[in-house]
Amino acid sequence: QKEVEQNSGPLSVPEGAIASLNCTYSDRGSQSFFWYRQYSGKSPELIMSIYSNGDKEDGRFTAQLNKASQYVSLLIRDSQPSDSATYLCAVNVGTGRRALTFGSGTRLQVQP
Amino acid sequence: EADIYQTPRYLVIGTGKKITLECSQTMGHDKMYWYQQDPGMELHLIHYSYGVNSTEKGDLSSESTVSRIRTEHFPLTLESARPSHTSQYLCASSAGTANYGYTFGSGTRLTVV
Repeated sequence: QKEVEQNSGPLSVPEGAIASLNCTYSDRGSQSFFWYRQYSGKSPELIMSIYSNGDKEDGRFTAQLNKASQYVSLLIRDSQPSDSATYLCAVNVGTGRRALTFGSGTRLQVQP
Repeated sequence: EADIYQTPRYLVIGTGKKITLECSQTMGHDKMYWYQQDPGMELHLIHYSYGVNSTEKGDLSSESTVSRIRTEHFPLTLESARPSHTSQYLCASSAGTANYGYTFGSGTRLTVV
């Protein structure tokens, strides 16, 4: 079992819809969770971080964390074609871990 | 403007050559990292550093080496490049605690022929 798992997609949604991206992790001791967006041929850029159970909103983005079920999700409201990218989930797995562990990413396609 | 820089952006080099990929950041971050990413695949940690003169190997076995003589500079060296080293190399930095995300450089796409 991978430490951080994501569905590779592609997830296709129409413009204006809500895109829902999910990520599960294996270590219950994980404390910090991040979502990165990566356009094709580019490097990842941080879009959201979340540390406590519940929802965190930032503009059109909402991160949701459920530590009991060991999943973290990202909702993108009013999806735009410019949101088409690969979304990477990253987790600070366990305590005292050296670095973030990244999932393999979910490719999102927003259809105009 | 605070940022993280990687050079070169693209590199095509012959087998057996020695190469150094440069990474510098102007944010004063103590922690720096090197990840390797093949197209459409996940990022794999190959080296990290928590500060000057502190370097460790990551999860992915790598024939590369790193150094951290100055806070802002974290170069990666391949003594003898092979076609299996063809990949994208991403450098990142972060502030002190585990609660901070990373800032990535623009990456170096390496092709060994």
